[in-house]
Amino acid sequence: SQQGEEDPQALSIQEGENATMNCSYKTSINNLQWYRQNSGRGLVHLILIRSNEREKHSGRLRVTLDTSKKSSSLLITASRAADTASYFCATDANDYKLSFGAGTTVTVRA
Amino acid sequence: EPEVTQTPSHQVTQMGQEVILRCVPISNHLYFYWYRQILGQKVEFLVSFYNNEISEKSEIFDDQFSVERPDGSNFTLKIRSTKLEDSAMYFCASSPPPTGNGYTFGSGTRLTVV
Repeated sequence: SQQGEEDPQALSIQEGENATMNCSYKTSINNLQWYRQNSGRGLVHLILIRSNEREKHSGRLRVTLDTSKKSSSLLITASRAADTASYFCATDANDYKLSFGAGTTVTVRA
Repeated sequence: EPEVTQTPSHQVTQMGQEVILRCVPISNHLYFYWYRQILGQKVEFLVSFYNNEISEKSEIFDDQFSVERPDGSNFTLKIRSTKLEDSAMYFCASSPPPTGNGYTFGSGTRLTVV
């Protein structure tokens, strides 16, 4: 299976702090994507990083990808209460499907 | 921003009944998908659909399930003879060609089988 696996499973931080979560996967990928899910809601696409990219930024989000280690990290800077959600990495091997990890639940305390 | 629309948002059905979950993908997208998420578990791939046929399906997507694009805009997932374990959130998604771009997910249909 090439499913991504995130760690930690849960993260609790103070508002204003940074949150970092990691994702590891097993096989070659075309790209890796990060999604956010608020409790009981849909999946929101955050950022996509291609296999030939090493780092990507979008607003307060920074994603890195190390294909040699088959790992990625998502950094959320200056966290806000509204960032409280579950975050999932998903790998795309260009085979018409995404493989999701179990997610990291982030709680931002006011 | 274009959205993937799913209806209904919540469906309760009796075990053994058939349900149809509906999705309107983004109009210029050509690839369509169904995923499901059992409460507290991972999001799981069910099926992908391109050019009016299934491109890929998972082991979960057995004969109980079928997909259809009946009219060029809707994309449906039919679950025949529902079981208790079919209770989950079902997400529709679409992506532009080629795959390798970000997917746009709908907000999901919560299916409860009683």
